[in-house]
Amino acid sequence: DVKVTQSSRYLVKRTGEKVFLECVQDMDHENMFWYRQDPGLGLRLIYFSYDVKMKEKGDIPEGYSVSREKKERFSLILESASTNQTSMYLCASRGANPQETQYFGPGTRLLVL
Amino acid sequence: AQKVTQAQTEISVVEKEDVTLDCVYETRDTTYYLFWYKQPPSGELVFLIRRNSFDEQNEISGRYSWNFQKSTSSFNFTITASQVVDSAVYFCALRPAGGTSYGKLTFGQGTILTVHP
Repeated sequence: DVKVTQSSRYLVKRTGEKVFLECVQDMDHENMFWYRQDPGLGLRLIYFSYDVKMKEKGDIPEGYSVSREKKERFSLILESASTNQTSMYLCASRGANPQETQYFGPGTRLLVL
Repeated sequence: AQKVTQAQTEISVVEKEDVTLDCVYETRDTTYYLFWYKQPPSGELVFLIRRNSFDEQNEISGRYSWNFQKSTSSFNFTITASQVVDSAVYFCALRPAGGTSYGKLTFGQGTILTVHP
C-alpha cells in the first residue's frame, strides 16, 4: 500500500513564527504536492515537486516555500505564519506516469493565532 | 484554464436512500482524466475512481456508480442504498492527460454528504 505520512495532525503556532510541515512517502514517487483545503474552496495547489531539488509554484504559492532534498520527503515552509494561513494542509504523491493516481496524506490542521 | 464545479455544497439523506453527487468540468484539453475522492472525518483523501476522457463507459463498483457524459462535461457519482459510513466530503477532480508528467489536479469545491440513520 502507498503510504504518505505527515509529521503532525494538529499544529498551533503564533503569528510570525516559522512553520515547517513535513511529508514523507514510501513509494519512490517522483511527484509530490502540497495543497491547502478551505471550506467552500476545495483543495488548492500551493507547490509541487517533480524531482529532488526541483519545485514549481502552484496556484497559491504566496507566503510559502518548499524544500525537497530527498526523493521521499517534501517540506512546506511558512516563513512568517499569518492568521490567514490557518487551514488544513494536505500532502500528496504520485509516480511519473501521468495515468497514475495521486495519493494523499492524512492532513495537518494548522491554527495560527 | 480548467475548472471543476460541484454545485451541491451539502446533501443530507436518510440511510438506504440513493444519492447523486454532481460534477461539471471545463477544459480545453482533448484528453484528460477525471477523479472522485472521498474524505472521511479522519481527513485523508481516499481515491475512488479515475476515468479517461476517451472512455465514456459508465462504471459500477458495488453500491457506487459513475456516469460520465462528455457531451455535457459531467461526471456524476451515485451511491445506491446509502449507509452512515458514506458520510464524508466528496471531491471531483480533473487532470490533463498530456503535457508534463506532473499534470496538475484541479479540484471541485467538494460536497458534504451526511447520511442519517
